[in-house]
Amino acid sequence: QKEVEQDPGPLSVPEGAIVSLNCTYSNSAFQYFMWYRQYSRKGPELLMYTYSSGNKEDGRFTAQVDKSSKYISLFIRDSQPSDSATYLCAMRPNFGNEKLTFGTGTRLTIIP
Amino acid sequence: DSGVTQTPKHLITATGQRVTLRCSPRSGDLSVYWYQQSLDQGLQFLIQYYNGEERAKGNILERFSAQQFPDLHSELNLSSLELGDSALYFCASSVGASRADTQYFGPGTRLTVL
Repeated sequence: QKEVEQDPGPLSVPEGAIVSLNCTYSNSAFQYFMWYRQYSRKGPELLMYTYSSGNKEDGRFTAQVDKSSKYISLFIRDSQPSDSATYLCAMRPNFGNEKLTFGTGTRLTIIP
Repeated sequence: DSGVTQTPKHLITATGQRVTLRCSPRSGDLSVYWYQQSLDQGLQFLIQYYNGEERAKGNILERFSAQQFPDLHSELNLSSLELGDSALYFCASSVGASRADTQYFGPGTRLTVL
């Protein structure tokens, strides 16, 4: 079993819809949680960064962490065609120089 | 644009060959990371260099090696290539030595081994 599981999709939604992207994980030591966006033929770029449990909002994006369920989510409100990309979750423990563990990514397409 | 540059963009080679991928970090960043991205495995951390020294090692095969030069650019050498080495290879950079620092990714090198 992988440490981080992410539904690969693809996921297609109409423009303006609310999108929910999710990851589950098995390592209870993970404390830092990130979402990266990767456009086609580009490298990943950091979108959201949260520590421990709770919500974080940045414009149309909201990241949620539920450590009791080992479940994290990224919500995109008022989705736009420019949001079409692959979204990767990543996480790491809060000690040492531990590596980021990435999910495999969910490919999202917003249909105009 | 993240400020991280990688060359070449694409590389096509044959099994058994050796290739070198190059990365220049963002100005001021001292750490360079190498990742391999394949469809079924996602992004896998290979190795980290900080200011010329190896800092951390991940799932890097013995056929692969890397180094960081005094000007902070880095090279990833892949030898005795196999079909399974076909993947996207990303370089990322960060300011400090900790992998907790925000990492900025380059555009990647797509390697195809035939």
